Amino acid sequence: GENVEQHPSTLSVQEGDSAVIKCTYSDSASNYFPWYKQELGKGPQLIIDIRSNVGEKKDQRIAVTLNKTAKHFSLHITETQPEDSAVYFCAASRRDDYKLSFGAGTTVTVRA
Amino acid sequence: DARVTQTPRHKVTEMGQEVTMRCQPILGHNTVFWYRQTMMQGLELLAYFRNRAPLDDSGMPKDRFSAEMPDATLATLKIQPSEPRDSAVYFCASGLRGELFFGEGSRLTVL
Repeated sequence: GENVEQHPSTLSVQEGDSAVIKCTYSDSASNYFPWYKQELGKGPQLIIDIRSNVGEKKDQRIAVTLNKTAKHFSLHITETQPEDSAVYFCAASRRDDYKLSFGAGTTVTVRA
Repeated sequence: DARVTQTPRHKVTEMGQEVTMRCQPILGHNTVFWYRQTMMQGLELLAYFRNRAPLDDSGMPKDRFSAEMPDATLATLKIQPSEPRDSAVYFCASGLRGELFFGEGSRLTVL
């Protein structure tokens, strides 16, 4: 099955700085890579996703990059704000079944 | 505002008792997933359905867990008998073409 590894497990950044989270996956057949944000006491919320036919996608302050050859993908948050503090999960799945395998999560703390 | 609804939000029970968690997926979504979240194991897939048919429940302990979708508006996850190691947050998620939307979760504590 798919194995997703995520680094770092914790990340502390100064408000306004950038945050980068990296993930690797094992199944070369995976072709869908979403990122989720989970706030305390809530369920994970989809914030951005990328499919294997593109290398980069951007949505305001959030961007995701994908390198299929190396089997890794990254989340970039620019101009971080206190409300970006949360746990972020990467995930991977095949488009034929959409069974998401999740990374272990990264706790992001934005210092004011 | 379409969302996945889970009940109960919190459940405290004693070991050996039956627990049933319910989920109302977003109308029109054809896939429903059950995940369990713990500090040690992270987010684990327990079972999933497509068009109400169970496709994979390999992540569930078969002897005590069961998942069903009696109709398109209701998915259930049952634990019988419950054990302290089942204490976790259980999430239901529904989706269409891959984008999954999670409910707020059911926090289960088994004493």
